[in-house]
Amino acid sequence: NAGVMQNPRHLVRRRGQEARLRCSPMKGHSHVYWYRQLPEEGLKFMVYLQKENIIDESGMPKERFSAEFPKEGPSILRIQQVVRGDSAAYFCASSPPNRGYTYEQYFGPGTRLTVT
Amino acid sequence: GNSVTQMEGPVTLSEEAFLTINCTYTATGYPSLFWYVQYPGEGLQLLLKATKADDKGSNKGFEATYRKETTSFHLEKGSVQVSDSAVYFCALQANAGGTSYGKLTFGQGTILTVHP
Repeated sequence: NAGVMQNPRHLVRRRGQEARLRCSPMKGHSHVYWYRQLPEEGLKFMVYLQKENIIDESGMPKERFSAEFPKEGPSILRIQQVVRGDSAAYFCASSPPNRGYTYEQYFGPGTRLTVT
Repeated sequence: GNSVTQMEGPVTLSEEAFLTINCTYTATGYPSLFWYVQYPGEGLQLLLKATKADDKGSNKGFEATYRKETTSFHLEKGSVQVSDSAVYFCALQANAGGTSYGKLTFGQGTILTVHP
C-alpha cells in the first residue's frame, strides 16, 4: 500500500513565478491537509480539504495561495507570484474517512520549495 | 486557541541514556495527542498517540501518558539509541462529540542527537 506521494520533492522558482505542489493521498483516504514548515520552525497548518470541498482554510495566507482537491487526481497547492519568504518545506497529509474516532494523519515526504 | 509547547532543544544524549521531552498543551475539551518523529530530509511519521485522559501511548520503546490534570504529554524512552536521532514533534487535534478531526497543532519540535 503506497504512502502519501508528493511531487516534486524539490522545486526551485524565481521570484514572481508560480509554484504548483501536488499531493496524492493514500489509497482509500479522502481527507487531505497541507502544512508548511519554515526553516527552524515547527509545522503550521494551512488548509484541510475533502474531495471537491475546502473544509478549513484558516491557515492559508489571504493572497497568492490556493488549494484544491478535485474529484479525480491529486490535491494541488498553488502559490502565485512567489516571494523569498515562501521558501519552506510543504507537507501534505491524508487521513481516512471516519475510522474509529481519531482521524490519524499520514504524512508525505514533502516538497522543498526554494525561491531565488 | 489551541497551542502546544515543547521543551527547548536541542537535546544531546549518550547511547543508552534516559530520554524525556516535555510537552504541554492548551486546548478546550479533550483533544487527542500525538508524537511525531521526523528524520533528516523526510516527512513526519506517527510515533504514538493517546486519545483520552490517562491513556498511555507506546511504540518502539517510547511512551507518553495523557495527563489532563497537568495538560501534559511528555515523551520518554528508557534507553536511547543512535538511530533515535531525529526531530520530535508533539501535536494535538481537536475533539468534538467524541471524534477527533481536522488540523493538527504542532509544538516547535525538539532536535535529539544521540552519540555512541
